[in-house]
Amino acid sequence: QQPVQSPQAVILREGEDAVINCSSSKALYSVHWYRQKHGEAPVFLMILLKGGEQKGHEKISASFNEKKQQSSLYLTASQLSYSGTYFCAPPRSGNTGKLIFGQGTTLQVKP
Amino acid sequence: DVKVTQSSRYLVKRTGEKVFLECVQDMDHENMFWYRQDPGLGLRLIYFSYDVKMKEKGDIPEGYSVSREKKERFSLILESASTNQTSMYLCASSGVLKANYGYTFGSGTRLTVV
Repeated sequence: QQPVQSPQAVILREGEDAVINCSSSKALYSVHWYRQKHGEAPVFLMILLKGGEQKGHEKISASFNEKKQQSSLYLTASQLSYSGTYFCAPPRSGNTGKLIFGQGTTLQVKP
Repeated sequence: DVKVTQSSRYLVKRTGEKVFLECVQDMDHENMFWYRQDPGLGLRLIYFSYDVKMKEKGDIPEGYSVSREKKERFSLILESASTNQTSMYLCASSGVLKANYGYTFGSGTRLTVV
């Protein structure tokens, strides 16, 4: 089942912080996060692993909530280059390497 | 620089035509995927291949087929194009079946069926 992202869209000023949530009906054991700029391919940002370890981006972090049914992506001190659509993508059942993508959150950072 | 290459950036086809979308990766990845992307729906998996000649249906396989004759190439075929297949098509690849590796995407093919 497709994870649900919130908010659908957010507008920020440069330097502000943002949080994007990704909710699942089942416990999440890992979550991939991707960013897609307008007219470009999605680009892998990071993986959040079940123990809370993160692999990927230096300036963007993520966490699970207590029940591990929600992951949150944190963008601190946002830059203009952070604008784009963010997708969370947990693996489908089992460790198959097949991801199921959320519907996306559009982030716009203004000067 | 490693990459996934999709043969066409834009395509316009007529209803009923057979359409081939090609994808080539140079990373020696086992897994390859075809997604379609529509506004508000995110990325939906059409087909997945985990090895040469091996394929699995995704969430929306109807009206599509795939071919993987060589490890580096994964083709999506629209048997008889229809207007509801107008969409952005994204190819991706990843390494061995592990959930801890990210996908590498191609730049997409925007298909319009008229």
